[in-house]
This record gives sequence, C-alpha cells and structure tokens, in this order.
Amino acid sequence: NAGVTQTPKFQVLKTGQSMTLQCAQDMNHEYMSWYRQDPGMGLRLIHYSVGAGITDQGEVPNGYNVSRSTTEDFPLRLLSAAPSQTSVYFCASSYKAGNTIYFGEGSWLTVV
Amino acid sequence: GDSVTQMEGPVTLSEEAFLTINCTYTATGYPSLFWYVQYPGEGLQLLLKATKADDKGSNKGFEATYRKETTSFHLEKGSVQVSDSAVYFCALSGGPNSGYALNFGKGTSLLVTP
Repeated sequence: NAGVTQTPKFQVLKTGQSMTLQCAQDMNHEYMSWYRQDPGMGLRLIHYSVGAGITDQGEVPNGYNVSRSTTEDFPLRLLSAAPSQTSVYFCASSYKAGNTIYFGEGSWLTVV
Repeated sequence: GDSVTQMEGPVTLSEEAFLTINCTYTATGYPSLFWYVQYPGEGLQLLLKATKADDKGSNKGFEATYRKETTSFHLEKGSVQVSDSAVYFCALSGGPNSGYALNFGKGTSLLVTP
C-alpha cells in the first residue's frame, strides 16, 4: 500500500529554472493538496484539488502551477524558481475534502 | 480566523517520564482536531484524531481528548520512549473557505533521553 508518493525527495535548482514535483496516490482519494513547510511559518497550503479537473489556490499560490488530469496525480510546477521557494514541500490527500488528510514523505527543494 | 496554539519546545524528558503537550484552538463551528508527528528527515504522520466534543483519540500509547469547554486537545503519554523523539503538530480541519486546509500549530519538539 504505497499511500501518497512524492518525487524527487531532494532537488537543487538554480534561480530561474523550472521543475515539477510529482505526487501520486493510490487510495482513490478525491482531495489532494500541496503544502510548504518553512521554519517558524509552519505548513501553508499552496494549491488544492477537490477532484479531477478541478484546482484552486490556497494561502501561498504565487510562483506555482498545478493541474489534476487524473484522480491519482497532482503535480506541482515551479515556473521560475526563486530562493524564496527553498522549502520542504508536502503533498497530501484525503478521501473527500474535509476528511482526514494523509501526507507524503516530503520533497526538500533548495534554490540557489 | 481559526488558529491553533501549542506549547513551544523543545521539551526534554527522560525515558519513561509522563508527557503532556498543550494545544488550544480558536475556531468557528466544530472542527475535527488532529495530532501529527514528524520524525527527523521524514514527512508528517497522523498520530491521532477526534472529530467531535468529548471524543478521545488514541494511538501508540498517546491520547488526546477533544474538550469543547476549554477549546483544548492536549496530547499525553504515560511513559515516553527514546523513539518518541520527534516534532509534534496539533492541527484543526479547515472548511471550504480555506480550501479545507489543515491549520497547524507551530510544532513542539520532543527529545527523550535514555
């Protein structure tokens, strides 16, 4: 039972580069979301999706894009990486919006 | 708006000591409450949850009771082990206006020494 799988686990980017953080879940969960975790700031919601084809912005969406073409996958795209996007990123999912949320293992991103 | 306040750490305890990590919340309505644990270098794992007043969540010897009258959800364990060393996060469930985001406290770091 894989749960929520994120790749890559570690990544170093140069300022201005783009990349995609992958997230997949095998639990047939409708709700998926991306958080970032920063020291002293806790976890903050970036984007979320309540089902395939539906996405919306969270608290800190600027600089990130998402899409949800399938129930299983919810990739997070950094369009032009900035040092302020250095963070730990967590993908999370739940059966439906408002249900218990389960997290992936995290992706550590450094932008230099 | 909704918020969660938990005691700041780090908390250092000897093995087999009693643990309490305080968590209080402010919310409209009746949110579900959660404790998540994050071990070094890992993601967040759900430790326990409670969905309504007076519910007690429990797992791995940890427990917490949803107290509406005191708006609290304190985490307790009777005898901690070295392997319990981690950061513990209290959280409450958000509604549609917040994208159903979890609203986390800032986390409490626990170190258990032999």
